[in-house]
Amino acid sequence: SAVISQKPSRDICQRGTSLTIQCQVDSQVTMMFWYRQQPGQSLTLIATANQGSEATYESGFVIDKFPISRPNLTFSTLTVSNMSPEDSSIYLCSDTVGFVNTEAFFGQGTRLTVV
Amino acid sequence: AQTVTQSQPEMSVQEAETVTLSCTYDTSESDYYLFWYKQPPSRQMILVIRQEAYKQQNATENRFSVNFQKAAKSFSLKISDSQLGDAAMYFCAYRSPLSGTYKYIFGTGTRLKVLA
Repeated sequence: SAVISQKPSRDICQRGTSLTIQCQVDSQVTMMFWYRQQPGQSLTLIATANQGSEATYESGFVIDKFPISRPNLTFSTLTVSNMSPEDSSIYLCSDTVGFVNTEAFFGQGTRLTVV
Repeated sequence: AQTVTQSQPEMSVQEAETVTLSCTYDTSESDYYLFWYKQPPSRQMILVIRQEAYKQQNATENRFSVNFQKAAKSFSLKISDSQLGDAAMYFCAYRSPLSGTYKYIFGTGTRLKVLA
């Protein structure tokens, strides 16, 4: 398994500020993913965090708004920059050991409210 | 592009009864993997069951089983002897090795309520 510790679990932030979410994995994993999830809705992939290289962003998400770091195989951060109320959502990180048939493990999510 | 559709936003089942959650997907690939994940109110996503497309035999995990119809691109989840702890959002997910990224494509989810 690859258990993920994600923090903070929730935060309330002022618009215009930034929040950095951290995910720590208890073992080395190949890929880490960052998702956004509106309450009661599906997961939307923001980006794939690659160790030692730039993250790969999905359509509609840009690095200036969601900078990602992945300094090693067990840690990654997602920053939500210059926040607006539209950024209020749940953010989850996920990992996989790199085999397509293996399960992904997820953090418990960060519930972000922007006021 | 691949898509995953869950046509049932919400389902209810009596405790100890059986319920089936539907999932259909669209792909032109022949090699892929399908998953069902459960997300309880704690938000912790948990793998329920997985199916390899090249396997004709339906996967089973205790009270959970799937009906995988490759030609019809259908992947339904059957929960037998439903328990109160089964109440959660259930997401069907598709994953292909061809993209090289191993990213999931998730369905819109089905909220399962279990009635005592």
